[in-house]
Amino acid sequence: NAGVTQTPKFQVLKTGQSMTLQCAQDMNHEYMSWYRQDPGMGLRLIHYSVGAGITDQGEVPNGYNVSRSTTEDFPLRLLSAAPSQTSVYFCASSYGAGVFGTDTQYFGPGTRLTVL
Amino acid sequence: EDQVTQSPEALRLQEGESSSLNCSYTVSGLRGLFWYRQDPGKGPEFLFTLYSAGEEKEKERLKATLTKKESFLHITAPKPEDSATYLCAVVAGSEKLVFGKGTKLTVNP
Repeated sequence: NAGVTQTPKFQVLKTGQSMTLQCAQDMNHEYMSWYRQDPGMGLRLIHYSVGAGITDQGEVPNGYNVSRSTTEDFPLRLLSAAPSQTSVYFCASSYGAGVFGTDTQYFGPGTRLTVL
Repeated sequence: EDQVTQSPEALRLQEGESSSLNCSYTVSGLRGLFWYRQDPGKGPEFLFTLYSAGEEKEKERLKATLTKKESFLHITAPKPEDSATYLCAVVAGSEKLVFGKGTKLTVNP
């Protein structure tokens, strides 16, 4: 199993550009989520999905869109990039959705995004 | 609002010098507390889940404990390869992981 994979590893954008961060998992996990990690702050939840076709907002959803058309993939779209979105983005997945509170989340290697 | 506070922010140890990292939390209805290890440039790697006060779990030189207000990650006779940032996270009624800011551990040979 490859686990959770993310592409690209690094990305530089100009203000106003849009892009999609890719996330895929091959563990047949129902629950997937996106976090951002900034210096001096804990990981913060952006969006999450409890299964294909179902998404919901986390703590910091503004400026980001998600969709979940398959169990395996959960892309994160930046609509119009801003310097405040410079961060490291992590995708995670876990087996349980309704029992998420007790299921281990597995994280991808991250995408380091810089917005100029 | 669920809150997680980790201390210290950074800890420097000599190889073999045991110590503990603290994670205090304020949540309503704890469902689980997680410890992760994060190496530079990588995603968090799962270490332990604790569910109820009094529970303990061990893995090699690491031992995690849980009380009603905090969790400790005890590191016994650490080695340089234990150097990493250790993250604590909780899940409560919101069913979402809430992370602390982490403790950066450096173990010098």
